[in-house]
Amino acid sequence: GENVEQHPSTLSVQEGDSAVIKCTYSDSASNYFPWYKQELGKGPQLIIDIRSNVGEKKDQRIAVTLNKTAKHFSLHITETQPEDSAVYFCAAGSGNQFYFGTGTSLTVIP
Amino acid sequence: DAGITQSPRHKVTETGTPVTLRCHQTENHRYMYWYRQDPGHGLRLIHYSYGVKDTDKGEVSDGYSVSRSKTEDFLLTLESATSSQTSVYFCAISGGAGEETQYFGPGTRLLVL
Repeated sequence: GENVEQHPSTLSVQEGDSAVIKCTYSDSASNYFPWYKQELGKGPQLIIDIRSNVGEKKDQRIAVTLNKTAKHFSLHITETQPEDSAVYFCAAGSGNQFYFGTGTSLTVIP
Repeated sequence: DAGITQSPRHKVTETGTPVTLRCHQTENHRYMYWYRQDPGHGLRLIHYSYGVKDTDKGEVSDGYSVSRSKTEDFLLTLESATSSQTSVYFCAISGGAGEETQYFGPGTRLLVL
């Protein structure tokens, strides 16, 4: 099956700085790559996703890039705010089966 | 949480007892999923359903069974709970082909003593 690796496991940034989280995947058949944000005690919430026919997607302060050749994709958060503090998960898959990374705990320091 | 409820939200049980967790959706989505979340492992798929009475195994299905008798309900059963099944369980839903996005419920925290 698919193997998704996510780095770093923890990340601390100053408010206003950018944060980057990287994931790699192993199965070239994967064609859908969502990113989720999980706050303490809650379920994961989709924040952005990208499909394999697109190299980059942006939504306000959040962007995702995909390199199919290298099998890696990244989440970029600009102008970070304290409310961005959470655990972020990447996932990769196709159809309706996804494999998740192990998560990145992001702390934004005011 | 996209019209998804899970019950119970918290449960403490003893080793060897049966446990059933319920996921209920109001979105009429075709696909439903059960995941478990453990430190260092992210989210791992237990079972999923692609329609009423249609289910399939995920990567960590041993010790779990599921049933789906109605579109809106997906049940996860631990026939004989073990301490290794202590976890947080999440239900998710998606629309199906071409609508891969999965939406998650609030989770059930299960402790097996």
